[in-house]
Amino acid sequence: GAVVSQHPSRVICKSGTSVKIECRSLDFQATTMFWYRQFPKQSLMLMATSNEGSKATYEQGVEKDKFLINHASLTLSTLTVTSAHPEDSSFYICSARDVEGYVGADRETQYFGPGTRLLVL
Amino acid sequence: QQQVKQSPQSLIVQKGGISIINCAYENTAFDYFPWYQQFPGKGPALLIAIRPDVSEKKEGRFTISFNKSAKQFSLHIMDSQPGDSATYFCAALERDGATNKLIFGTGTLLAVQP
Repeated sequence: GAVVSQHPSRVICKSGTSVKIECRSLDFQATTMFWYRQFPKQSLMLMATSNEGSKATYEQGVEKDKFLINHASLTLSTLTVTSAHPEDSSFYICSARDVEGYVGADRETQYFGPGTRLLVL
Repeated sequence: QQQVKQSPQSLIVQKGGISIINCAYENTAFDYFPWYQQFPGKGPALLIAIRPDVSEKKEGRFTISFNKSAKQFSLHIMDSQPGDSATYFCAALERDGATNKLIFGTGTLLAVQP
């Protein structure tokens, strides 16, 4: 159990276009999901916390208007990179918390998706 | 300011040896400490986690040792195998009102030589 999927796994787009990344919890309901960004050989940087039915909470320095987050259901959160530029190229990873304990593990556990590699040309 | 400090940055261990990765933190309010394993191009996978009321937790070849007074915790990988070669991240849970978020260490690249 505790599977989180992301789609697409890889995307290449032209500068100025928008890209949407989906994050789904497949076997549990996730009222809280997280979006991270990771550059090569670096740690995970939290971008925002996504709460179902409410606005996302963004970390300091993350542009809300550029990285749009929507958490419309208990199993789906989306990240839209608007007007993408080459500097937005990165590995984007989502995670989900099993707050209700569906999977039976510690309720603080975050389960990560496989990541989405974004390349902006 | 880095809230969770991780060392070493990289580690080479012979097959069958013990891999040890250390982390230290400052915020005594942290109360949940997971370790994640990440292979290239993949998302992190939870290995093992511990809470500060326990000094040690073991799951298979993986053991977390926790020293609350020193604000340090470490991951031990016994009988290290080439398949363990990956990047390992420690983390600590920061409670911020209604949002609980993980603060990650900088990562350790482990190479297990056959």
